[in-house]
Amino acid sequence: DTAVSQTPKYLVTQMGNDKSIKCEQNLGHDTMYWYKQDSKKFLKIMFSYNNKELIINETVPNRFSPKSPDKAHLNLHINSLELGDSAVYFCASSPWAKHEQYFGPGTRLTVT
Amino acid sequence: EDKVVQSPLSLVVHEGDTVTLNCSYEVTNFRSLLWYKQEKKAPTFLFMLTSSGIEKKSGRLSSILDKKELSSILNITATQTGDSAIYLCAVVGQGAQKLVFGQGTRLTINP
Repeated sequence: DTAVSQTPKYLVTQMGNDKSIKCEQNLGHDTMYWYKQDSKKFLKIMFSYNNKELIINETVPNRFSPKSPDKAHLNLHINSLELGDSAVYFCASSPWAKHEQYFGPGTRLTVT
Repeated sequence: EDKVVQSPLSLVVHEGDTVTLNCSYEVTNFRSLLWYKQEKKAPTFLFMLTSSGIEKKSGRLSSILDKKELSSILNITATQTGDSAIYLCAVVGQGAQKLVFGQGTRLTINP
């Protein structure tokens, strides 16, 4: 299927742990994004990469580190998880300089 | 800071009704406004409106951009239960590749 995919779909972990979320797109897009959707459903951008280069880095704690091994993949590593990190994390992609973004199914992270 | 406000936050109507969802924005160097539909999972793209394309229509859904009023509306006619979802409005401004989202309108269509 042509799409943006994320793994895992659900992640339950304890405070202080380190976890990673993976994202892959087979749409041939150059730009990928991470968004966080909180309990009030606000979607807020965290990072964006274009062809493996970081282009957007919003005010996000240093505990969050994105990595893009190639333009089809963008992973998100989170260190020392906190309760406030509980949210749904969405990956998205778009062609470069195009505004229309395509979203993955989301990863629901619950920190206990 | 760019800002998007949607109204109403929640709307419940009966199948067959027509609904209008509102989106207003404050953005530096406006480039485009996008509408997404979010059911259980990923937001799915509906429309993109720009200065050169201020009106879009697809089936029962249509959207208009009012650059003077800094707002947009999304109309859905002859609503169906499958239209129940959260509708998200987003704008692209000076941070050219960044979508700034509103808080969404939760639309519920009752049979």
